[in-house]
Amino acid sequence: EPEVTQTPSHQVTQMGQEVILRCVPISNHLYFYWYRQILGQKVEFLVSFYNNEISEKSEIFDDQFSVERPDGSNFTLKIRSTKLEDSAMYFCARESVNTGELFFGEGSRLTVL
Amino acid sequence: EDKVVQSPLSLVVHEGDTVTLNCSYEVTNFRSLLWYKQEKKAPTFLFMLTSSGIEKKSGRLSSILDKKELFSILNITATQTGDSAVYLCAPQRGGYNKLIFGAGTRLAVHP
Repeated sequence: EPEVTQTPSHQVTQMGQEVILRCVPISNHLYFYWYRQILGQKVEFLVSFYNNEISEKSEIFDDQFSVERPDGSNFTLKIRSTKLEDSAMYFCARESVNTGELFFGEGSRLTVL
Repeated sequence: EDKVVQSPLSLVVHEGDTVTLNCSYEVTNFRSLLWYKQEKKAPTFLFMLTSSGIEKKSGRLSSILDKKELFSILNITATQTGDSAVYLCAPQRGGYNKLIFGAGTRLAVHP
């Protein structure tokens, strides 16, 4: 059973459209992260979210991006107006409170046409 | 600027061989170093190393950290075809625990 569940597994969208990627942690945790991986490139940090607030964000995480935890369970990443270069795998990750180990979800593949 | 260098970039071995993967890093406010295995999709957690010189083991995999020389190694003994993957090294910064990933070592194990 995965540590976190991500939906959708794959989304295809037109440039300029808004997308929402969702992450459902199996158990209750305080620290969550979004990372992305463009095909053939490194895994890159986007944002960390602690206690329902953004704690750190990268320079990639500009005004087009936002994160929310709307119902205390789901954790969403919204891209307001997608660009071709947003095409990537987006991974949600949660940190174990006890050990600090970081576990990744299966990822959401975003394809922007 | 934070820097993570993994070597070799790729490696081809035969089943039964032993491999050593290297990771050197320069990371501000270093907290720990994590190793992941990435096959088709998501990175799967292997080890988290916080202290120098203490080897962590899981089956045929082991890893150790040297905080003075700023590197870590991942060893895989008696390799199997199922070990074929990209192995990612990710030092973690303290504070909000951000991971900085290396480019990975692509390991191919042939029968």
